[in-house]
Amino acid sequence: QKEVEQNSGPLSVPEGAIASLNCTYSDRGSQSFFWYRQYSGKSPELIMFIYSNGDKEDGRFTAQLNKASQYVSLLIRDSQPSDSATYLCAVNLGGNTPLVFGKGTRLSVIA
Amino acid sequence: EAGVTQFPSHSVIEKGQTVTLRCDPISGHDNLYWYRRVMGKEIKFLLHFVKESKQDESGMPNNRFLAERTGGTYSTLKVQPAELEDSGVYFCASSQQGGPFTIQYFGAGTRLSVL
Repeated sequence: QKEVEQNSGPLSVPEGAIASLNCTYSDRGSQSFFWYRQYSGKSPELIMFIYSNGDKEDGRFTAQLNKASQYVSLLIRDSQPSDSATYLCAVNLGGNTPLVFGKGTRLSVIA
Repeated sequence: EAGVTQFPSHSVIEKGQTVTLRCDPISGHDNLYWYRRVMGKEIKFLLHFVKESKQDESGMPNNRFLAERTGGTYSTLKVQPAELEDSGVYFCASSQQGGPFTIQYFGAGTRLSVL
């Protein structure tokens, strides 16, 4: 059974702080790793993807991948109240294969 | 460019009735996926179309679910007859064909309530 595990939260951080979201996956064959953000009642929106070990930065967001430990994380710097949402970790076997999702972590940024 | 569109956004039906959900993918996307999230659980894969062909339907829960994508454009997911456990949010996603790494873009989902 392929699984993706996330801490459901809620994770509360003060405005301006760094939010750290973590995810582990069970299938060692996983090739692509995604972070989606979902506001209540809205579509999951891709915010970061990563394929290689190491860090990938995009603005205030940094994704980190460690395939040996089967671990993916998302750092959000200078957190804003508008970052308050559920963050979904998803992985697949690459290409157009289906995504396997975690349950999501609810982030709350306190002004 | 329009994103992935799903309708209805919300459907309330009684057990035993039939419901049809529709998904319009991003124009030009050959790949179309259906996923479902039931309360308290993670989003789970149902099936994958490449154009009009079913590439992978390993996630379909049972034969009460029928998905079609005639002409390789929009897709429908019919549940007949609906059961209580079918309640949840049904998401559609689409992606372009080709390449080792592709992005799936999601619609806002259809919330199905079976009473």
